[in-house]
Amino acid sequence: DGGITQSPKYLFRKEGQNVTLSCEQNLNHDAMYWYRQDPGQGLRLIYYSQIVNDFQKGDIAEGYSVSREKKESFPLTVTSAQKNPTAFYLCASSGVPVDRLNTEAFFGQGTRLTVV
Amino acid sequence: DAKTTQPPSMDCAEGRAANLPCNHSTISGNEYVYWYRQIHSQGPQYIIHGLKNNETNEMASLIITEDRKSSTLILPHATLRDTAVYYCIVRVFYTGNQFYFGTGTSLTVIP
Repeated sequence: DGGITQSPKYLFRKEGQNVTLSCEQNLNHDAMYWYRQDPGQGLRLIYYSQIVNDFQKGDIAEGYSVSREKKESFPLTVTSAQKNPTAFYLCASSGVPVDRLNTEAFFGQGTRLTVV
Repeated sequence: DAKTTQPPSMDCAEGRAANLPCNHSTISGNEYVYWYRQIHSQGPQYIIHGLKNNETNEMASLIITEDRKSSTLILPHATLRDTAVYYCIVRVFYTGNQFYFGTGTSLTVIP
């Protein structure tokens, strides 16, 4: 089945440690995104990538880093510089729009990160 | 990107139509209106999108006003499984590919 996979579903880390969240898609999508969601809040964009080896900061990029070495993969590293890393992290992908079709984003099921 | 305004919460009786409004008064000509929903602790699910014409699919209908400053998502026969947070998003069609989410409308379908 085609889709977008995030792993793990739950992740626990000690304060001060870097942690990398995995996101893989087999939809042949060019664009990929990372969002953060806090309890009772909407989604906030961390980073996005329109193409391999290129990515841009979203609204809350501080304390996070990404890479896009392969079209299928867009891992997110939560660094020790992120002050409040405990959150629900969502990855998404979409096709580059060339017409009104193929433009919606598909989301993974998320990773819930808890830093203790 | 244009911002959207949605009511924080709504109730709907099971079997009735749920009409979820969204205001996007600063929308520009190349921005589409998208609707997603999120069931608790899951990834958002795409529902529908449109530019200026009304759209319908197997899940919902999207009504966009003629001036495009607002839209309404219609779930024609709401079920308990439609209880979720619904997000209205406007998205630049060509540049950046970003999807910006607000806080959405929490829809509760009541038996």
